Amino acid sequence: ETGVTQTPRHLVMGMTNKKSLKCEQHLGHNAMYWYKQSAKKPLELMFVYNFKEQTENNSVPSRFSPECPNSSHLFLHLHTLQPEDSALYLCASSPDGGRGYTFGSGTRLTVV
Amino acid sequence: GQQLNQSPQSMFIQEGEDVSMNCTSSSIFNTWLWYKQEPGEGPVLLIALYKAGELTSNGRLTAQFGITRKDSFLNISASIPSDVGIYFCAGLAGGTSYGKLTFGQGTILTVHP
Repeated sequence: ETGVTQTPRHLVMGMTNKKSLKCEQHLGHNAMYWYKQSAKKPLELMFVYNFKEQTENNSVPSRFSPECPNSSHLFLHLHTLQPEDSALYLCASSPDGGRGYTFGSGTRLTVV
Repeated sequence: GQQLNQSPQSMFIQEGEDVSMNCTSSSIFNTWLWYKQEPGEGPVLLIALYKAGELTSNGRLTAQFGITRKDSFLNISASIPSDVGIYFCAGLAGGTSYGKLTFGQGTILTVHP
């Protein structure tokens, strides 16, 4: 257990479904992140939230919608995904300055 | 955008051998991080480097922050089967109150007993 908890660990969804990924940290970190990890590609930063405010959106399609209700929780709402969106979605958190970056175990998403 | 080139892409070694992998960048980073990822898990931090020229060890692992701030290497000595996994370098550019990590492509390490 790293201190960053992601649920669910695995998710299979159809292209017309709506689902949400959840991330929770109680490390007292100020920033939270969503990364996408696809096979044979480097981890890609999707979104950054700093003190609950979205500070980065790395040209992510609108079918991915993040939500950060407080500094400890981060969600990724999914709707009308495509099969190419199948990947491991990783949440991370960090304190000020980015040092002490901690990743969760990820949600393995399969879109059918 | 910033990119990290990590090599080699994969390594197949015998138990007991030493391993070396490195990352190079066209941009300067203020922090270099090395992570290990095992199947079904997220990356776990192995070593963090915060100063150019810094050499840091963590057990059998040693990593260095290049003087130019554009490269870093990771060495693993006397490898064991549990060293198997994917090793990633990551650079942190800094200048903000949060951190945007840029990752290398990863090195897949296989250790034969």
